[in-house]
Amino acid sequence: GQQVMQIPQYQHVQEGEDFTTYCNSSTTLSNIQWYKQRPGGHPVFLIQLVKSGEVKKQKRLTFQFGEAKKNSSLHITATQTTDVGTYFCAPDTGRRALTFGSGTRLQVQP
Amino acid sequence: EADIYQTPRYLVIGTGKKITLECSQTMGHDKMYWYQQDPGMELHLIHYSYGVNSTEKGDLSSESTVSRIRTEHFPLTLESARPSHTSQYLCASSNRADYNSPLHFGNGTRLTVT
Repeated sequence: GQQVMQIPQYQHVQEGEDFTTYCNSSTTLSNIQWYKQRPGGHPVFLIQLVKSGEVKKQKRLTFQFGEAKKNSSLHITATQTTDVGTYFCAPDTGRRALTFGSGTRLQVQP
Repeated sequence: EADIYQTPRYLVIGTGKKITLECSQTMGHDKMYWYQQDPGMELHLIHYSYGVNSTEKGDLSSESTVSRIRTEHFPLTLESARPSHTSQYLCASSNRADYNSPLHFGNGTRLTVT
């Protein structure tokens, strides 16, 4: 069956360092969404990727969708303390409801 | 900011009590969801609905039940709460029933069962 793995589970960086989280699927995805959840908060939608090889940028955040549409990444350039939180991928596996990856918790040391 | 509301924000109750977690949205979204999330952990889909009188169970087995009598309202009920139900419950909604459009989440209900 469909398996999605998100790595790493946790990353601690110094402010100014880069950060990347990966979402890998065993099957081809229709699209993938990314969410951010601040500590104590609720998930907030960041972006949706639909096309093979798609790359989208939001300021310091770069989102990529693999050519085979089986993997995706979120890269943050020069992290800031405001980037702290858990980043979830939500791959569209063709099911009727969205499920989420296990998340990557980012801690940024000032 | 999305207009989706959950009440109560926090709830502490004793074992065996019946509780209903409320979720309402004013966006006219057809699709609504309930997720369960332990602190710092992943989100587990427990129920979803594609419209009025449509409800389905999610991936995580749950002893809770839901109803969708009105488009804007998707309450979740636990008939007899147990300590294992202690968790955060997140309600979400989305538009366009033909594919998975972005989810708008409520602030969640943090439930503690003693």
